[in-house]
This record gives sequence, C-alpha cells and structure tokens, in this order.
Amino acid sequence: DQQVKQNSPSLSVQEGRISILNCDYTNSMFDYFLWYKKYPAEGPTFLISISSIKDKNEDGRFTVFLNKSAKHLSLHIVPSQPGDSAVYFCAASEDAGGTSYGKLTFGQGTILTVHP
Amino acid sequence: DGGITQSPKYLFRKEGQNVTLSCEQNLNHDAMYWYRQDPGQGLRLIYYSQIVNDFQKGDIAEGYSVSREKKESFPLTVTSAQKNPTAFYLCASSIPHQGARGRAQHFGDGTRLSIL
Repeated sequence: DQQVKQNSPSLSVQEGRISILNCDYTNSMFDYFLWYKKYPAEGPTFLISISSIKDKNEDGRFTVFLNKSAKHLSLHIVPSQPGDSAVYFCAASEDAGGTSYGKLTFGQGTILTVHP
Repeated sequence: DGGITQSPKYLFRKEGQNVTLSCEQNLNHDAMYWYRQDPGQGLRLIYYSQIVNDFQKGDIAEGYSVSREKKESFPLTVTSAQKNPTAFYLCASSIPHQGARGRAQHFGDGTRLSIL
C-alpha cells in the first residue's frame, strides 16, 4: 500500500523554464511534507518542506504547494538550471507520538533532467 | 564539518554471510534511521532508533538487525536470512522532534551492497 506516490518517473525541462514535480498521498494523518534531492551514488539532501497548516512555502527558486483537500503537493522550480538535474523524492510525516517519531514515508522519486 | 559517514561505500557479500554496514554521525542527533533503496522505488525504512539502547522495526526489518550502544553510531547487520540483500542502503539522523524543523532527516552517502 503506497501511501505516497510520485506518478511521473521522469520529467524533462528546458533550462530557464519551470519544473513542476507532483506528489499524491493517501494518509490523511500526514501533517508535514518534505522534498529531497538526490544525485547518483549520494544520499538525499533536504530541499524544502511544508506544514499542513500552510498551503505554500517558498525558498529562493523552490516553492512547494500543498492542496490538502486533494491530498496533493507539488514542487515548482523556477527558473530550472542544469544543476537541478537529479532525482526528487517527496516524503510525508505524521505526528502520532513516540511510536512514529520522525518516521518519513517516501514516494518513488521523479528523475528531473534540465537541458541547456 | 558535521555530518553522517557511511562505510564502506561498496560492499560485496557471499551467500550465507552476515555483513555489517557502518553509520557514524557527529551532528549530536538523537534519532537515527536505516533505509533501503531499490531501483525505481522510494526509500523504505528498515529500523530506527530514537535514543541510545532503544530501536524499533521499520517496514522491512526482516533479515536485518541493528544496535545503538552509542549516540553517534547505528550499525546495520544484513543477515543471511535476508534473501534479497542487493540494494543501496542509506543511514539518516534527525534532531529531537521540536516542531517542524525536527522532521527533516539528514542522510549519509550510502553503501551499495551486492551479492557475489
């Protein structure tokens, strides 16, 4: 049972344009969402996050949008740069006390390729 | 520089052998985690530990064991009972859960385990 899904395995974008990566979730108890970026043979790097009490969070070129009613979040990268080419994972967390402390549920990842 | 160190980067295992993957952090984080990544899949939680001398099973703990004798160290043993151990293994850590920022996990660069 995949509670966090990234339905697009890959995305190709031209440099300077917008990249939109999507993520859907099914568990209504999730109250915090994160995006990670991963290069080959390296560990994921935290990118940006959003709490369920917000619908938007922005950090430089990266903006995450949350639509709770649709159980959907998206990551916008504007403008996209070739160095953004990587695998992007969305992750979700629920605050259920000590039994699920810090536990993250990850999507399958989307490979973003930004062409010069 | 604070961070998470995983060693070795590549590891080969013979059939029927146990192997131990090392994870050390100097971030003074209380919580540590082990994930497994397979091609085309997201990260799946194997074990996690909120505090020294305590750890909990994740979603795919069968065939694995861990120990947490020191705050800095969280080694993972892949036992011979794990029938499909070939994967990329990632260790992570996080600060005590203090609101939203405590949810982000910091990752090492991983160990790739292969069967000979």
